Amino acid sequence: QSALTQPASVSGSPGQSITISCIGTSSDVGSYDLVSWYQQHPGKAPELVVFEVNKRPSGVSNRFSGSKSGNTASLTISGLQATDEADYFCCSYGGSRTYVVFGGGTTLTVL
Amino acid sequence: QVQLQESGPGLVKPSETLSLTCTVSDGSISRYYWTWIRQPPGKGLEWIGYVYYSGTTNYNPSLKSRVTISINTSKNQFSLRLTSVTAADTAVYYCARLNNGGDYVDYWGQGTLVSVSA
Repeated sequence: QSALTQPASVSGSPGQSITISCIGTSSDVGSYDLVSWYQQHPGKAPELVVFEVNKRPSGVSNRFSGSKSGNTASLTISGLQATDEADYFCCSYGGSRTYVVFGGGTTLTVL
Repeated sequence: QVQLQESGPGLVKPSETLSLTCTVSDGSISRYYWTWIRQPPGKGLEWIGYVYYSGTTNYNPSLKSRVTISINTSKNQFSLRLTSVTAADTAVYYCARLNNGGDYVDYWGQGTLVSVSA
């Protein structure tokens, strides 16, 4: 069982927006603004799309945005495109002992 | 552009030791945190641990008793050893670089599948 809880799947039509939630605890998501999100296409390594809750790496579309409220972080993808179809994983710093915890992943289907 | 490449056996017998090496292309190994992450087939990501360029390490508590991560800055490499493996250790193993603050992965290797089977 993963430390962070994500929905197994979400779906949306091209052009729509979707939001993926990531539920942690007061020991990880709730305590640190150090949540990151990764996109993984089948057979490929994950790629960073959001870091430190709401920052985007250079080259990542501004259609990807992150937020956090309490123990829950969220990734929103607006203007859905077929290429967004992938697995998405959240990750949080969990303190010096646990250090890094991942969510179980969410499969995004673009209908 | 940093490139990371995993190398090592793709098949390990139960109870033996899994050993992997990651080669870093651009010489930045002396400035960052370096980490191993694994992904069982069809499942999510699991952080294994990291090594700082100074040699300081930190491990996932659930694997700590079996894991050693080391670094060789002269060879631009860092390595993973996982002892007493079982079928549950079958996974794609990724080496990766953490950012300066150590809180997210900014570069990943392509990953290598390691199967544990007799």
